[in-house]
Amino acid sequence: GAVVSQHPSRVICKSGTSVKIECRSLDFQATTMFWYRQFPKQSLMLMATSNEGSKATYEQGVEKDKFLINHASLTLSTLTVTSAHPEDSSFYICSAIAGWGNYGYTFGSGTRLTVV
Amino acid sequence: AQKVTQAQTEISVVEKEDVTLDCVYETRDTTYYLFWYKQPPSGELVFLIRRNSFDEQNEISGRYSWNFQKSTSSFNFTITASQVVDSAVYFCALTNTNAGKSTFGDGTTLTVKP
Repeated sequence: GAVVSQHPSRVICKSGTSVKIECRSLDFQATTMFWYRQFPKQSLMLMATSNEGSKATYEQGVEKDKFLINHASLTLSTLTVTSAHPEDSSFYICSAIAGWGNYGYTFGSGTRLTVV
Repeated sequence: AQKVTQAQTEISVVEKEDVTLDCVYETRDTTYYLFWYKQPPSGELVFLIRRNSFDEQNEISGRYSWNFQKSTSSFNFTITASQVVDSAVYFCALTNTNAGKSTFGDGTTLTVKP
C-alpha cells in the first residue's frame, strides 16, 4: 500500500513553455503532499507543501508564481513550472502523507525536467 | 531548524568489504523520524528504513544494519559484505512529525568495485 505515482518521468521542453507534473496517491488519500527539487549531484530541497483544498505553502526562495501547485483532490497534486528556463532543469519529486505518522515512505519516482 | 549532515561525500570500496555511512542530525524537536534512502542512477528514492526518535533499538535487515544513538544524534548505516548493486547515492533524512517535512543530508555516493 501507500503508492505514489508521478508523471511524467522525463520531460524535455523549450524555454518559455510551461510543464505540468502530476503526483497521485494510488491507494490512499493524501491530505498533504510535498514537492522537492534536486539539482544534479545535490540533495533534495523542499519547495512547497501542498494541502488539499488550500493554497500551497512555499519555502523561502521558491517563486510561487513560477511553480504553481494545485492540490484539488485527496489523490492528486500538480506542479506546473511556468515559463520554464534552462536553470529550472532539475529532478522534481513528490511525497505524500497517508496519515499522521506515516511520513517519508511514500515518494513518487520523480520527474527529470530538461529545458532547452 | 533541522539539519542533517552526511560528512562522507563519496566512498569507494571493493566488493565484500563492510562499509558504514555516517549521519548526524540536529533538531529541537523531541519527536521526529529518521530515514535512510537509496537513490540509484535512475533517480527514484528507495526507502530503506524509518526510525522513531523514541526507538533507539538498532536494527538489522539482511546485509543492512542501522545504529541509532540519540546521545550523539547519529544514525549510521552499515552495509556488510557490500555488492556492486549497492552502488548508489544514499540519503539520510529527518522528518518533522508536526508538519511532515523532510530535511535531507547531502548524500553519500557509494561505489562498490568488483
